Amino acid sequence: DTGVSQNPRHKITKRGQNVTFRCDPISEHNRLYWYRQTLGQGPEFLTYFQNEAQLEKSRLLSDRFSAERPKGSFSTLEIQRTEQGDSAMYLCASRLTGGSYEQYFGPGTRLTVT
Amino acid sequence: AQTVTQSQPEMSVQEAETVTLSCTYDTSESDYYLFWYKQPPSRQMILVIRQEAYKQQNATENRFSVNFQKAAKSFSLKISDSQLGDAAMYFCAYRGEDTGNQFYFGTGTSLTVIP
Repeated sequence: DTGVSQNPRHKITKRGQNVTFRCDPISEHNRLYWYRQTLGQGPEFLTYFQNEAQLEKSRLLSDRFSAERPKGSFSTLEIQRTEQGDSAMYLCASRLTGGSYEQYFGPGTRLTVT
Repeated sequence: AQTVTQSQPEMSVQEAETVTLSCTYDTSESDYYLFWYKQPPSRQMILVIRQEAYKQQNATENRFSVNFQKAAKSFSLKISDSQLGDAAMYFCAYRGEDTGNQFYFGTGTSLTVIP
């Protein structure tokens, strides 16, 4: 068990470009979450998967954002036509159904939009 | 939506002393879970301690304990015998039974440990 991993760790892009982030959860975890964290704030929920099904989306997730988890394992988060306001840390977390609801977080991908 | 408030943006504590971080939340639910997460600089967030709302007994994990006051909607974290490795951002988080799978986080408290 190597924990939750995220790639890339850092991404610098120009406004208007598309970016894609990847999250690999802990292997047996069926639930996967995406959060956005801006400077001085706590993580804000974006979306949640149970296996391959995307079950909840925050209204923060505009139509420029799309997330997938095609085989119920890794997940990708794509942002199209990036804006400077998208600059943030994007965190992924995973957990098992039931139990204590503890989420295991990845190290995050820091996005800078210039 | 539920809100989680951490009113102390920064706190400091002398090594080996005790510090308490405060957290309040707003909810109309009766069943929920509360968490404290630690985020060291440039490192990933890890769970420190959790509390189920239906349990009256305050949770304890080694040097970390909580003071959970359900009626007051207060959930403070006490760190005893503070160590240099405790320096981090601490986030309080809420997860309700009725609000699906969304976790709500506070804005965090930055803890400095003074040698």
